[in-house]
Amino acid sequence: SAVISQKPSRDICQRGTSLTIQCQVDSQVTMMFWYRQQPGQSLTLIATANQGSEATYESGFVIDKFPISRPNLTFSTLTVSNMSPEDSSIYLCSVLGTVRSTGELFFGEGSRLTVL
Amino acid sequence: AQSVTQLGSHVSVSEGALVLLRCNYSSSVPPYLFWYVQYPNQGLQLLLKYTTGATLVKGINGFEAEFKKSETSFHLTKPSAHMSDAAEYFCAVSVRFTGNQFYFGTGTSLTVIP
Repeated sequence: SAVISQKPSRDICQRGTSLTIQCQVDSQVTMMFWYRQQPGQSLTLIATANQGSEATYESGFVIDKFPISRPNLTFSTLTVSNMSPEDSSIYLCSVLGTVRSTGELFFGEGSRLTVL
Repeated sequence: AQSVTQLGSHVSVSEGALVLLRCNYSSSVPPYLFWYVQYPNQGLQLLLKYTTGATLVKGINGFEAEFKKSETSFHLTKPSAHMSDAAEYFCAVSVRFTGNQFYFGTGTSLTVIP
């Protein structure tokens, strides 16, 4: 399994500002994923963060709004830029299991963002 | 294309009663199937998974699920509900041989009534 730490765990932000969420994994992983979970809804994949290359964004998500960094195999950041109340969500970092992997995802505790 | 349908966004059971959360999937290739649980203010935790082999899989906290290919289902059950089981449950499918594309259901909120 992988232990994933996210910071901040929650924050309240003003409209128009930006917030960077950090994700630290206790082991080296090739692929890291960022998900959004809007209130009362399921998980939506924002992007896949690969070390040494640009993140791959899903339809409806763009780099200008959600820039991602992946400087090494244990760390990634997601920035939510120019926030609006519609960005109020839980943002989850996740990784694929790496030991005898059968493909399960491991998740961080999530970062709960409220935009006023 | 792959998709997951969870029937019932809210399920209520009495403490000690059977828990049954329904999940149907659509996949053009053999899938990996998962159940995750999300407790309030926490991330998602893997309950159990089906990859290959035995179709009845056991997970943590007394939960189990059965993969039924003919019904394209992967329902989650627990014989006796406990108050601590109150949480949001998500069914997910991933595509074999790629492993990095997950599809999540919309979730089922389980309430346990004392």
